[in-house]
Amino acid sequence: EAGVTQFPSHSVIEKGQTVTLRCDPISGHDNLYWYRRVMGKEIKFLLHFVKESKQDESGMPNNRFLAERTGGTYSTLKVQPAELEDSGVYFCASSPRTTGELFFGEGSRLTVL
Amino acid sequence: QKEVEQDPGPLSVPEGAIVSLNCTYSNSAFQYFMWYRQYSRKGPELLMYTYSSGNKEDGRFTAQVDKSSKYISLFIRDSQPSDSATYLCAMRPVSGGYQKVTFGTGTKLQVIP
Repeated sequence: EAGVTQFPSHSVIEKGQTVTLRCDPISGHDNLYWYRRVMGKEIKFLLHFVKESKQDESGMPNNRFLAERTGGTYSTLKVQPAELEDSGVYFCASSPRTTGELFFGEGSRLTVL
Repeated sequence: QKEVEQDPGPLSVPEGAIVSLNCTYSNSAFQYFMWYRQYSRKGPELLMYTYSSGNKEDGRFTAQVDKSSKYISLFIRDSQPSDSATYLCAMRPVSGGYQKVTFGTGTKLQVIP
């Protein structure tokens, strides 16, 4: 069974550009989470989908971040326009239930120059 | 003050040693306690999951929770070079699911053959 896959693994962009990160959760997992780790800091929650619906986006830093989950399958996280402080590793995780085990992807490393 | 404090290390031990990894926390609402292992350039994977206080053992790993002291530990017996990784503690309250999880910054462990 395939795990959580994320693309790209690493993206280097300039300030002001746009980047879209993609996450494919484990098949059948209704719950999808995005987290972010900024260098030297802890992993922090960004938002939570149940199927295609956003359940909680309280962790999203600002309106430059837009997340979608098309048809309750894969999810995208777009940053537009990117700022220097957006650099970090963006993790996606999925779970069959809200309290079940979280399965993390390998992360998408974003570097904004 | 951070809600969860974790010594970043690095911690270097000889193969076969007993390793003790620890986190302290300040939020008394935390009831679920987790330890994740993260290899370099990979996503976190769940190692141990404990509810409330007490001990839990799984093979060479033992998780301890002392809620009165707001202190959790992960012990690794007979440590192996393959245990070299970053260990993240994480915790959350009963309600709210994984959007309410708080991670430690992680302790980097190196087991020397």
